[in-house]
Amino acid sequence: SQQGEEDPQALSIQEGENATMNCSYKTSINNLQWYRQNSGRGLVHLILIRSNEREKHSGRLRVTLDTSKKSSSLLITASRAADTASYFCATDTGRRALTFGSGTRLQVQP
Amino acid sequence: NAGVMQNPRHLVRRRGQEARLRCSPMKGHSHVYWYRQLPEEGLKFMVYLQKENIIDESGMPKERFSAEFPKEGPSILRIQQVVRGDSAAYFCASSPVRGGLSGDTQYFGPGTRLTVL
Repeated sequence: SQQGEEDPQALSIQEGENATMNCSYKTSINNLQWYRQNSGRGLVHLILIRSNEREKHSGRLRVTLDTSKKSSSLLITASRAADTASYFCATDTGRRALTFGSGTRLQVQP
Repeated sequence: NAGVMQNPRHLVRRRGQEARLRCSPMKGHSHVYWYRQLPEEGLKFMVYLQKENIIDESGMPKERFSAEFPKEGPSILRIQQVVRGDSAAYFCASSPVRGGLSGDTQYFGPGTRLTVL
């Protein structure tokens, strides 16, 4: 499989629940970034976690990074209908070109 | 501070025509990246440029595609003799000069959606 694969591919939850998305990658990285994309729109940067960091928070977002397992997770707490979007992880191996996974499509039901 | 600007937002071309996509990076950013996104897929890296230099074009198709980032003006992604398979969303991103090992956040524009008839 390619660098930066998200799991699950699709996730449907009720408003107020937490949403967890996972990302696995193959090679060593400098950092890993999470992006959100609303349907038909551009990407919005959510959070960047460096290879020497294990956890990062930003508002309702919590990102973890386990370099030994080559995996990351994005947790959205107390989800809202407005969180409905596709979420992508992207890895930077030092080449500066980001490698994206195919994304997790999150649907938050009001 | 305006974000990354791309134009046009939508572009329709017939097979065999040329497509020119423009990207103006955020103020103060000297690094530009182009990505392509096919429907229901993630973004795929195409090319990384700094002013007047192509740094990494490992994701660019060998034929028909070219990119530039002149000293003055926007970055241009040019697709000659378009085919239906070129239909996709093309995103530009920019970042400031890298500081240290940590790398930099890339800020994305709204994209240009190319449709080839």
